[in-house]
Amino acid sequence: AQSVAQPEDQVNVAEGNPLTVKCTYSVSGNPYLFWYVQYPNRGLQFLLKYITGDNLVKGSYGFEAEFNKSQTSFHLKKPSALVSDSALYFCAVRETDSWGKLQFGAGTQVVVTP
Amino acid sequence: DTAVSQTPKYLVTQMGNDKSIKCEQNLGHDTMYWYKQDSKKFLKIMFSYNNKELIINETVPNRFSPKSPDKAHLNLHINSLELGDSAVYFCASSQGLMSSYNEQFFGPGTRLTVL
Repeated sequence: AQSVAQPEDQVNVAEGNPLTVKCTYSVSGNPYLFWYVQYPNRGLQFLLKYITGDNLVKGSYGFEAEFNKSQTSFHLKKPSALVSDSALYFCAVRETDSWGKLQFGAGTQVVVTP
Repeated sequence: DTAVSQTPKYLVTQMGNDKSIKCEQNLGHDTMYWYKQDSKKFLKIMFSYNNKELIINETVPNRFSPKSPDKAHLNLHINSLELGDSAVYFCASSQGLMSSYNEQFFGPGTRLTVL
């Protein structure tokens, strides 16, 4: 069975400071890992994914994430946060033979203050 | 151009009623999904269809019946609505099922309120 954990309900950061949103996962096989963002009253938007290869993945809006197999983590990062980054962020995992079934974390609310 | 669209955006109804939510994607994808997001923002998959064939059915009450008339459409019909059905329902699509590294594209959601 696959699962994903986002240990922080909310992350507060000042504009211009680095932003990190944590995610750990559990799968029985090889994972496909995703980050999505949800703005208020909107659907989820894809940010980035890890499939294989380079452990550092770059995505939309200046976000990146680092896959760490030994720590089973896939933390989302942004070097300099913007107020417009305030949103709900979801980590998701899929096993390679899971028929497309995405398991989402509980979400982390990011609040960036001016 | 809207990639994944849902109608209606808001749905307010009485307990016991039957209602439908429609979803259409113009991305040419062959796989579509329904997700439920509860009041705590937790997202859970309900159904998945690949080329009009049901692939995933996640222990959803049989009051929920998805229908896929073609690859571009996946509708959700709910019978005998209950208070606990109040949630935001998201439709999504992706290309390929076993090629499961493809990201899913989400619709804007339908906020269902059962009174």
